[in-house]
Amino acid sequence: AQSVTQLDSQVPVFEEAPVELRCNYSSSVSVYLFWYVQYPNQGLQLLLKYLSGSTLVKGINGFEAEFNKSQTSFHLRKPSVHISDTAEYFCAVVGNTPLVFGKGTRLSVIA
Amino acid sequence: DAGITQSPRHKVTETGTPVTLRCHQTENHRYMYWYRQDPGHGLRLIHYSYGVKDTDKGEVSDGYSVSRSKTEDFLLTLESATSSQTSVYFCAILPGQGYEQYFGPGTRLTVT
Repeated sequence: AQSVTQLDSQVPVFEEAPVELRCNYSSSVSVYLFWYVQYPNQGLQLLLKYLSGSTLVKGINGFEAEFNKSQTSFHLRKPSVHISDTAEYFCAVVGNTPLVFGKGTRLSVIA
Repeated sequence: DAGITQSPRHKVTETGTPVTLRCHQTENHRYMYWYRQDPGHGLRLIHYSYGVKDTDKGEVSDGYSVSRSKTEDFLLTLESATSSQTSVYFCAILPGQGYEQYFGPGTRLTVT
């Protein structure tokens, strides 16, 4: 089975500052990794995914994430955040069981 | 738009009453999922289906049952609702050629 740990439950950051949301996973098999975003009172939207190949993956809205197999991490980054990035972000992993989610990180962008 | 609808979108019900939530997809994907979302817990899998009449339990299946008699519909039933089942419920589908799931808009259920 797989598990996901999102290391920060809340991350406040000033507008135009960089941000990193941390995600670590545990699995005994190869995995695929995802980041989803949930804006207030909305459903989940896929931000980006890592399936294979380049360990640096780019997603929508200027986000990117890097897969690090040795550290079992898949941290999400954005070089300059906007007010509109305020949302909850979920890391998720799939291996030999259905998708497993982390508990989420609430990103608050401060003007 | 992944072609997923959920009904109802909001529901308030009393403890002990049965409740059925419906997920409908328009593209005949084989895999469908039900999750619940609670603050501090993220999304947790309740049940999933890998075909008509083929279902399996997830992490938090106690108190829930599911049925899938048609490819396009996946029903989640709370036989006797409890206050601990107050939550937001999301349905998801897995397109045949990918590994990522796509989610419906959610149903907010309140059990009083």
